[in-house]
Amino acid sequence: GNSVTQMEGPVTLSEEAFLTINCTYTATGYPSLFWYVQYPGEGLQLLLKATKADDKGSNKGFEATYRKETTSFHLEKGSVQVSDSAVYFCALTLQGGSEKLVFGKGTKLTVNP
Amino acid sequence: DSGVTQTPKHLITATGQRVTLRCSPRSGDLSVYWYQQSLDQGLQFLIQYYNGEERAKGNILERFSAQQFPDLHSELNLSSLELGDSALYFCASSLQPSSYNEQFFGPGTRLTVL
Repeated sequence: GNSVTQMEGPVTLSEEAFLTINCTYTATGYPSLFWYVQYPGEGLQLLLKATKADDKGSNKGFEATYRKETTSFHLEKGSVQVSDSAVYFCALTLQGGSEKLVFGKGTKLTVNP
Repeated sequence: DSGVTQTPKHLITATGQRVTLRCSPRSGDLSVYWYQQSLDQGLQFLIQYYNGEERAKGNILERFSAQQFPDLHSELNLSSLELGDSALYFCASSLQPSSYNEQFFGPGTRLTVL
């Protein structure tokens, strides 16, 4: 089946530290890949996406590269801020299939000043 | 603000009861999705509607049903509620059903079954 595996959290970092959240996927077809972010008490917001191999999605200093050979879509940011504290979800949809999002379990990030 | 609205924000009810959750998609969006977020199952897709018709079904229990009305708002009906149905229910919408398109999420309805 189709699934997404994220690194277990929670992750706690100091401000300006480097962030990596690992994400790997299993898909029966060709997936589009997404990172969503959920701030406390809010719904999910799209952070970035990539729809084909070697594409890099980027937004607000966050980046992730679609790696077909390693079936991965790791999220990175060079210098995190306190305002980045949230839960991050890696997700996929299957191209040519249902548009439903298949989510990983989420990784909670806390950034301390 | 994503433009997707959900009501009510919180719902507390008893086992065996029936509730209705409401979702209004972003203006112009034709596709509506429902997801359930729980501590043990994570975020799971329930059902999708496109322009009033059911388009895809996920892990939705038979006690749950949904519909999308001509004005494109959607309702999720949960009946014979059990303790395990306590969760956060999200609605999302997109312009067209496409695996490339972003889905815009509402703030969710937190359901507590006592």
